[in-house]
Amino acid sequence: AQSVTQLDSHVSVSEGTPVLLRCNYSSSYSPSLFWYVQHPNKGLQLLLKYTSAATLVKGINGFEAEFKKSETSFHLTKPSAHMSDAAEYFCVVTYNAGNMLTFGGGTRLMVKP
Amino acid sequence: DAGITQSPRYKITETGRQVTLMCHQTWSHSYMFWYRQDLGHGLRLIYYSAAADITDKGEVPDGYVVSRSKTENFPLTLESATRSQTSVYFCASSPTGSGRSSYNEQFFGPGTRLTVL
Repeated sequence: AQSVTQLDSHVSVSEGTPVLLRCNYSSSYSPSLFWYVQHPNKGLQLLLKYTSAATLVKGINGFEAEFKKSETSFHLTKPSAHMSDAAEYFCVVTYNAGNMLTFGGGTRLMVKP
Repeated sequence: DAGITQSPRYKITETGRQVTLMCHQTWSHSYMFWYRQDLGHGLRLIYYSAAADITDKGEVPDGYVVSRSKTENFPLTLESATRSQTSVYFCASSPTGSGRSSYNEQFFGPGTRLTVL
């Protein structure tokens, strides 16, 4: 069965400092991996996706993630946090053709002024 | 307006009652999904549908029923609500199915917060 683990349930950074949200996945086959963001009381929005093309994926709002097969990781980064980045972030994996997504438990990002 | 909508946005009900959560999308997407979101679990798939009249179970289907008579609607029914079904429910849609090399983004509705007393 596919699974994904987000290593931190909460991350707190100061505005203007780098963001790192960590994600590891289980791997039987080559996965497709995604990061979604959920702002308070909102639905989920796709930040970026990896589907076996370039291993460094750029997304919206300055976020990017690197697929590292040897480490089974797909960490999300941003060079400089903004207050508007405060939200919950979900790492998501899928392997099969039925659009069955498996979500990590989520990481709540807090940005301090 | 185009998009994916859910109703109601908030619902309080009592144990044993039947509740139906509605989901409507205007994109004519083939796939539709129902998830529940609980603290510490992320989102878990309840049911999904590949097309009208085609539905299949997800990870946590027990206690739920779905139907899809029209492409644009995908209602979720709790036949006899239990307190463990208190959760936030998200509906999503996607244009087509996908293999590992071509993924279609899932578009999420705003969610329904359901409380079962």
